Amino acid sequence: AQSVAQPEDQVNVAEGNPLTVKCTYSVSGNPYLFWYVQYPNRGLQFLLKYITGDNLVKGSYGFEAEFNKSQTSFHLKKPSALVSDSALYFCAVRGPTDKLIFGTGTRLQVFP
Amino acid sequence: DVKVTQSSRYLVKRTGEKVFLECVQDMDHENMFWYRQDPGLGLRLIYFSYDVKMKEKGDIPEGYSVSREKKERFSLILESASTNQTSMYLCASRAGDSGYTFGSGTRLTVV
Repeated sequence: AQSVAQPEDQVNVAEGNPLTVKCTYSVSGNPYLFWYVQYPNRGLQFLLKYITGDNLVKGSYGFEAEFNKSQTSFHLKKPSALVSDSALYFCAVRGPTDKLIFGTGTRLQVFP
Repeated sequence: DVKVTQSSRYLVKRTGEKVFLECVQDMDHENMFWYRQDPGLGLRLIYFSYDVKMKEKGDIPEGYSVSREKKERFSLILESASTNQTSMYLCASRAGDSGYTFGSGTRLTVV
């Protein structure tokens, strides 16, 4: 069965430092992978997706993600964190019948 | 840009009430979804629909039903609200290989 794991409930990083939010997945076949961000009391906003092609995917707000097939990972990264990046981040994989299956979310806290 | 509108941001309902959550999208998407979001559990799929009058159960359909009479509108119905249905409810729509577009969510409290 398709599944997604986000092993960290919270990630803390100082402003200006690089950040990584981890995601691993389990799928049969080729994975369609997504990252979403949620700001307080708002819906989810699409950040980026991997379907095929280059393993490094660039998305909105300076975020990027690296697809690693051998490690079944799709970690979200940003070279220099901003305080405004503080939010809840969700990794997702497209499952059977095109449904998105979400991880439990990782709260990113960027400190000034 | 696709817009997904959920009619209420906050709702407070009493136990046993019938509750309607409305969702409208403006880009002619075939696929629409209802999720609930709870801390530590992420998003869980309640129901989804691939076309008008079509519906499929998601992972947690118990206590819920849906209606899709028009392509742009997908309604979630709580037949008899209970306190364990207090949650954030998120509607989404999708076309093709794109990601989902989400509404802003409805925070429902059942008292």
